[in-house]
Amino acid sequence: EIVLAQSPGTLSLSPGERATLSCRVSQSVTSSYLAWYQQKPGQAPTLLIYGASSRATGTPDRFSGSGSGTDFTLTISRLEPEDFALYYCQQFGRSEVTFGGGTRVEIK
Amino acid sequence: QVQLEQSGSELKKPGASVKVSCKASGYTFTTYAVNWVRQAPGQGLEWMGWINTNTGNPTYAQDFTGRFVFSLDTSVSTAYLQISSLKAEDTAVYFCARVRWSTDPPYYYMDVWGKGTTVTVSS
Repeated sequence: EIVLAQSPGTLSLSPGERATLSCRVSQSVTSSYLAWYQQKPGQAPTLLIYGASSRATGTPDRFSGSGSGTDFTLTISRLEPEDFALYYCQQFGRSEVTFGGGTRVEIK
Repeated sequence: QVQLEQSGSELKKPGASVKVSCKASGYTFTTYAVNWVRQAPGQGLEWMGWINTNTGNPTYAQDFTGRFVFSLDTSVSTAYLQISSLKAEDTAVYFCARVRWSTDPPYYYMDVWGKGTTVTVSS
């Protein structure tokens, strides 16, 4: 099974700051099959980034994704109040889907 | 607009069964597969498997074989998740999600999610 390790578990930042979230994969994966989701309390996840770096419809341009192989990053250039939430990376490989454990971005 | 509407919360006793529905609207249901994702209280997202809405063929993740069944009724654009012999550890929110998947060009992501159905198993 391909394992996704997200770090840090919690990121404490202030509005306006830059957030850098990491997703490390246990073996090299196709970046085309790497996605990022945001989840707010009591809500379903929403797609932010697909193909490692393509913004989904409606995703603000302060969100960007990068990476390849085993290391992927989600960057939020300037945190807005609505960005404080949980973030998950997800990959598809060997006919299976796996999610990372999530990174919580909280207000400092 | 494109959406997935899930059935309401369920409270069940251990050993009972539950059937969760996921009704698609705003697009051709049989064009995209449907994933099922579980989220236990305070935990992360766990992929349960998917169903091919064109053929009805289900695929289950390793931890979701035996008591879990995915099915369809394409006449009403609805996917179903049935869980039998419920246990306390099945208490969770269950999400359905539309899958966008291609091998050429390659991409895989879930672009539309239902709001989730809370299943509580308690005596």
